[in-house]
Formats: sequence, structure tokens, C-alpha cells
Amino acid sequence: DTEVTQTPKHLVMGMTNKKSLKCEQHMGHRAMYWYKQKAKKPPELMFVYSYEKLSINESVPSRFSPECPNSSLLNLHLHALQPEDSALYLCASSRALVREQYFGPGTRLTVT
Amino acid sequence: GESVGLHLPTLSVQEGDNSIINCAYSNSASDYFIWYKQESGKGPQFIIDIRSNMDKRQGQRVTVLLNKTVKHLSLQIAATQPGDSAVYFCAEKLDNQGGKLIFGQGTELSVKP
Repeated sequence: DTEVTQTPKHLVMGMTNKKSLKCEQHMGHRAMYWYKQKAKKPPELMFVYSYEKLSINESVPSRFSPECPNSSLLNLHLHALQPEDSALYLCASSRALVREQYFGPGTRLTVT
Repeated sequence: GESVGLHLPTLSVQEGDNSIINCAYSNSASDYFIWYKQESGKGPQFIIDIRSNMDKRQGQRVTVLLNKTVKHLSLQIAATQPGDSAVYFCAEKLDNQGGKLIFGQGTELSVKP
């Protein structure tokens, strides 16, 4: 089983809202990732967690706040987003940092 | 054919033909490479990977070739099927960069029945 699940599938939020994206995997992977993908563009790395600790933050604005409550779950908390933050947000996991990453289906976020 | 600039490079092939998708990577220190397939509305799907100590790896209907001298990676798909239509991304991992993948711009493969 190489399944990463993400909820919700779609999210529309205003610039003053607070919302969270959720990601879950039950493959025993110890590394989890958040990516942002704009239309017709490649995924761009945002955050990397390894063994539930944040190991990479790609200079992401503080309006995006990641959280890894346990080894199976990864959240992305959103607050005061801008319309240009509208994108597909992808979660991925891997057995270790040097192994292949498996992606979830993504959350399509629209900021109005 | 292919188009460049603001649009994704595209490759159009006839069903049953072989496809070759190319990727130039940026860093000679990259030690691990992955090919992903992304269908419309879905997340990237792992296809095949290769480490820098190899120059060829085969999977089911797919082959990845790595030429470190010219920093070039290719994905060959045998007997291309309509279900292979998607955007294909190569990704490189730099040595000692803690799981960070850098994705190429992608190539859109269109299979004509």
C-alpha cells in the first residue's frame, strides 16, 4: 500500500479565515513533506519533517504553519492567506529522507 | 513535437510507439533521480528511480537512462498506451540536502489512439 490521503479535496477560504489541511499515511514512513504546485508548474517544496521534527523550511511565509502531531499525520495550518496562495497543496511521505517520495492527491485551495 | 517558453514542452506519440522523455538536471552533486507521472487532477505518481552509481534501470515498460557526463536523464516508455498520457516530471536530490527534491519543468505526453 503506497497511499497518502489528504483532506479536504477542495477548500475555498477568505483572506481572514483560518483553516487546516490534513495529510495521513500508514506506511510507517518517517519523513513527510508539503509541496505547493501552481498550474502547469512543477511541485515546489515547502517543508520537510523527519521523525516528526521539522528539518527543512524553504523560507515559507509564516501564514503557513506546519505541524506533525505523530508519525502518521501532517497538518498545514493556514491563516491570513493571499489570493496568490491559491494552488494545489501536495503532501508526500517517504520511508527515509533518501528514498522515493509518495504523493497524496492534493488539496485544491482557492483564496478569495 | 515540442514547444518551449511559457508552455510545457509537449510530446505527441502514436499508440503503440515508444516514447522518450528527456530531462537535463542542474547539479552535478545530485545523487538520486526520480521520474513521476502526474495525471490531470491527481498528485504525482512514482514511476522509477535511479541512483548516481547506475546508468540504466528498467521497470515494467519503462527504462531510465542516466548520463552524468552531460547531466541528462531520460525516460523511455515502451508500447505507449492512451493511459500514459500525463505530465512527466524528473526530480533530482542533491547529496546532503535532507530529502529535498528539485523538480524539472515537466513534459506533457499526449498519446494518439
